[in-house]
Amino acid sequence: EVQLVESGGGLVKPGGSLRLSCAASGFPFNNAWLTWVRQAPGKGLEWVGRIKSKTDGGTTDYAAPVKGRFTISRADSKNTLYLQMNSLKTEDTAMYYCTTGGDLTFFFWGQGTLVTVSS
Amino acid sequence: SYELIQPPSVSVSPGQTASITCSGDKVGDKYACWYQQKPGQSPVLVIYDDSKRPSGIPERFSGSNSGNTATLTISGTQAMDEADYYCQSWDSSTAVVFGGGTKLTVL
Repeated sequence: EVQLVESGGGLVKPGGSLRLSCAASGFPFNNAWLTWVRQAPGKGLEWVGRIKSKTDGGTTDYAAPVKGRFTISRADSKNTLYLQMNSLKTEDTAMYYCTTGGDLTFFFWGQGTLVTVSS
Repeated sequence: SYELIQPPSVSVSPGQTASITCSGDKVGDKYACWYQQKPGQSPVLVIYDDSKRPSGIPERFSGSNSGNTATLTISGTQAMDEADYYCQSWDSSTAVVFGGGTKLTVL
């Protein structure tokens, strides 16, 4: 059974930093492309960014609103995906989900971790 | 940038057919998929590659994609199908793009 468990969310002041983690199990993590998607309270889904598998280059791509501030990385030895978020803004307040999949389809989703950016 | 437009809300009576549209420039030339999200829960994939159903998704869910419109159809809609539905596709200019979501009400 595929499991994705996000952690690391919380309350942070504008300009602050936070690192989210996503612990995965139930599938060959090292071969997977992985994606972060967020959802602001009462709003729709928004793509944050994606990391390819190392065999496919391990490269990352980001949505324009987070480019230059967020960094996605992976630790295949730990089956863990990360999202480093710097220079946080109030508009980054959202539930953050990790998902399996590259660009076309997101088959499995975690339960999400809530990030609140407020002074 | 590429956009997918969905109606904010759709209503359907139990047992009837619900259709939720997703409009985008030449979306029929791309693959579309659909996610269901119930209050307080994570999204669940219900249709991928325009019309394929993941394991465990009931047959009453179907999809199509042609021209400028992708459509999610729910036949014999049940009360449990009441949820928000999001379409999603990919475009070279915008990468992953989600529609704004449609709230399906079963009444």
